[in-house]
Amino acid sequence: GAVVSQHPSRVICKSGTSVKIECRSLDFQATTMFWYRQFPKQSLMLMATSNEGSKATYEQGVEKDKFLINHASLTLSTLTVTSAHPEDSSFYICSASSGGASHEQFFGPGTRLTVL
Amino acid sequence: AQSVSQHNHHVILSEAASLELGCNYSYGGTVNLFWYVQYPGQHLQLLLKYFSGDPLVKGIKGFEAEFIKSKFSFNLRKPSVQWSDTAEYFCAVRGYSTLTFGKGTMLLVSP
Repeated sequence: GAVVSQHPSRVICKSGTSVKIECRSLDFQATTMFWYRQFPKQSLMLMATSNEGSKATYEQGVEKDKFLINHASLTLSTLTVTSAHPEDSSFYICSASSGGASHEQFFGPGTRLTVL
Repeated sequence: AQSVSQHNHHVILSEAASLELGCNYSYGGTVNLFWYVQYPGQHLQLLLKYFSGDPLVKGIKGFEAEFIKSKFSFNLRKPSVQWSDTAEYFCAVRGYSTLTFGKGTMLLVSP
């Protein structure tokens, strides 16, 4: 199947700093990318959906100014957590689809963010 | 809004035992249904999916799931589990456009 990578796999930062997480589709063009957040023992919660070249669509309750998403190319999307706080500590997972929201999504390995 | 409920948070089985993981969803329209697996330290992988047609769906590694529309269920089954099936299993439903996941079931298979 298609491969999606995330970088970094783990990041620890100080409160108030910004952190950028990259999501790449390695062997296919991802017209749509999704960002999820997973709390311990909870399900994946969709944060936003982004289509290449357009603004991301955020789910209700997700602050778009705090979680900046850029999908500038068909193989790369970035999530920037701005002015991170300890409550932003979580596991962030991206997925990518080549044909829009109705096609199969391929998931990245996730990024563990810890904000001190 | 769509939602997904997985019945068990943890399941412990011995090798060769049969497995059934429950999944119920709520959504008023046509749905696509999925089971994903996450092995320790690895990313989510698709086990099987149902879009339409035969409600009994066969996936990879001997897994199957049955869509019962009247019960809003999509239970995952495997007749004989192996130690290598130890993983977390997520049921997911897609209604209009977005995937909604259940909370997951952690399966531990003892040798």
